[in-house]
Amino acid sequence: DSGVTQTPKHLITATGQRVTLRCSPRSGDLSVYWYQQSLDQGLQFLIQYYNGEERAKGNILERFSAQQFPDLHSELNLSSLELGDSALYFCASSVTSGVNTGELFFGEGSRLTVL
Amino acid sequence: QQPVQSPQAVILREGEDAVINCSSSKALYSVHWYRQKHGEAPVFLMILLKGGEQKGHEKISASFNEKKQQSSLYLTASQLSYSGTYFCGTENKAAGNKLTFGGGTRVLVKP
Repeated sequence: DSGVTQTPKHLITATGQRVTLRCSPRSGDLSVYWYQQSLDQGLQFLIQYYNGEERAKGNILERFSAQQFPDLHSELNLSSLELGDSALYFCASSVTSGVNTGELFFGEGSRLTVL
Repeated sequence: QQPVQSPQAVILREGEDAVINCSSSKALYSVHWYRQKHGEAPVFLMILLKGGEQKGHEKISASFNEKKQQSSLYLTASQLSYSGTYFCGTENKAAGNKLTFGGGTRVLVKP
């Protein structure tokens, strides 16, 4: 158990819909990262937050947005869903957010299926 | 910029050795290595922060050539438990804190 909690574990929805994925980082970790992993693919970096502020952004679609709340949990919002958005979405947390990222602790992921 | 890993896949017999390479077109701050078993989340193996630094995790070790912007992961005397997909992640000096992963290398260790 990494200490990172993601909900829901599985989600099935239709094209055009909107979903919210939630992540609670490990106790004490200030940084939250979101990654997308399509079937048998690599980990695509979406976005990183540190203590409530956006720190780094990857190739995140405009239909996707995220935020980190004062209690440090984070939400990833996916809207106008398309079939290609079907993937496993991982949240990870770490203590550091200096020049070097420390060890990332990954949650078990939220598997999104868009029909 | 996504680092490039090679090979894409490797099949080993228990006890054999393998090398996984990771290269970047950008100057790097650090290289990270993670292993993901099927249906599970990636798990941290090690971070390399300095050029030439080598780290180890059980019989898995890695090196980082900062000049060449490359890292190699060495699986020595492989065990069945080494099976999984190995990802290298890089932080480059241009992109700040963005930890970007390569496409992964699938490793299958057979008895």
